[in-house]
Amino acid sequence: AQSVAQPEDQVNVAEGNPLTVKCTYSVSGNPYLFWYVQYPNRGLQFLLKYITGDNLVKGSYGFEAEFNKSQTSFHLKKPSALVSDSALYFCAVRDPILTGGGNKLTFGTGTQLKVEL
Amino acid sequence: EPEVTQTPSHQVTQMGQEVILRCVPISNHLYFYWYRQILGQKVEFLVSFYNNEISEKSEIFDDQFSVERPDGSNFTLKIRSTKLEDSAMYFCASSFGTSGSQETQYFGPGTRLLVL
Repeated sequence: AQSVAQPEDQVNVAEGNPLTVKCTYSVSGNPYLFWYVQYPNRGLQFLLKYITGDNLVKGSYGFEAEFNKSQTSFHLKKPSALVSDSALYFCAVRDPILTGGGNKLTFGTGTQLKVEL
Repeated sequence: EPEVTQTPSHQVTQMGQEVILRCVPISNHLYFYWYRQILGQKVEFLVSFYNNEISEKSEIFDDQFSVERPDGSNFTLKIRSTKLEDSAMYFCASSFGTSGSQETQYFGPGTRLLVL
């Protein structure tokens, strides 16, 4: 089975400070990992993904994430948070061996990021 | 930038009625998906579709659900006889491929279904 955990329901950060949104995963093989963001009344927007290669992945809007195989983590980071980053963030995983051609993503429960002035 | 679109944005229906949710995936994408998100819960996979066939489906996707690509642009999810517990936000997604850079799934804005 594939699963992902986002241990924090909410993260509060002051604007200009670095932010981290945590994600850990469980798969039997090598994972494909994704971050999506959801603004109110909007769909899921793709931010970044890790498939293979460099463990540090850079994505949209200045976000980055680091794949750590030993800790089975894929935390989302940004060096300097903006109020406009306030949204719901979802981590997702796919086990390419388990899901084969179905390409099923398994999502975490989401972390609400609140960036305040 | 191309995007996935979904109609309607909101749908209210009576229990036992049939509903059809519509999606227009990104035009050159080949793989199509439906997910749902019950209020306050995580996003859950329902079904994936490729080459006019279901590739994979979850336990949620029972005989009450069906998908179809009736023409070259639309991808639909039909719920034959809605139940109260079908109330959720339904997201359509599409991807060009299933590996490497091609496998990113792009999501539509969702259809909020309310079953009364």
